[in-house]
Amino acid sequence: GQQLNQSPQSMFIQEGEDVSMNCTSSSIFNTWLWYKQDPGEGPVLLIALYKAGELTSNGRLTAQFGITRKDSFLNISASIPSDVGIYFCAGPEDDKIIFGKGTRLHILP
Amino acid sequence: NAGVMQNPRHLVRRRGQEARLRCSPMKGHSHVYWYRQLPEEGLKFMVYLQKENIIDESGMPKERFSAEFPKEGPSILRIQQVVRGDSAAYFCASSLVNNEQFFGPGTRLTVL
Repeated sequence: GQQLNQSPQSMFIQEGEDVSMNCTSSSIFNTWLWYKQDPGEGPVLLIALYKAGELTSNGRLTAQFGITRKDSFLNISASIPSDVGIYFCAGPEDDKIIFGKGTRLHILP
Repeated sequence: NAGVMQNPRHLVRRRGQEARLRCSPMKGHSHVYWYRQLPEEGLKFMVYLQKENIIDESGMPKERFSAEFPKEGPSILRIQQVVRGDSAAYFCASSLVNNEQFFGPGTRLTVL
């Protein structure tokens, strides 16, 4: 099956900094999904991308669907404490969703 | 409109016992999916069900695990004779007609 590789695995940043994380896949996806998981909760969909080259924003979040269909990035501008959590890239494969291992975002006091 | 509900939120079992995890999909959703998340990992698909039917169980271990989604009531993920390696967070998601999946808060299973 398809595999998704996320980097970095962890990030430690100061409040107010911008954040960038990315995701690559072993094969082509037709849809890219970015989820956030808060501690003790299930993942929540942040952004869905449906077209190669598409750039989509949701508040301070911006995500792009790579032209090759094998990568995507997520940017968070002006980070705030509630941005802490795990960010997963994901893509649908048949009936299921394939998840990456996540990027863990920590905000230093 | 309540979201996906899962209970219990935390479950502790001794090796050899049975674990039953319940999932109530969002109102109007007839598609249910179960995923497992090990520590430091992403979610891994286990099974996809519609009412009274298993559609895809390609991610389910062949032994000890079963799932159902009866005509009435919640979906149940059942793990018989649990082992330590079954300790994980188990998430249920639901959707309309194979559309966006909405996830529940998960059940954290600990096997002693």
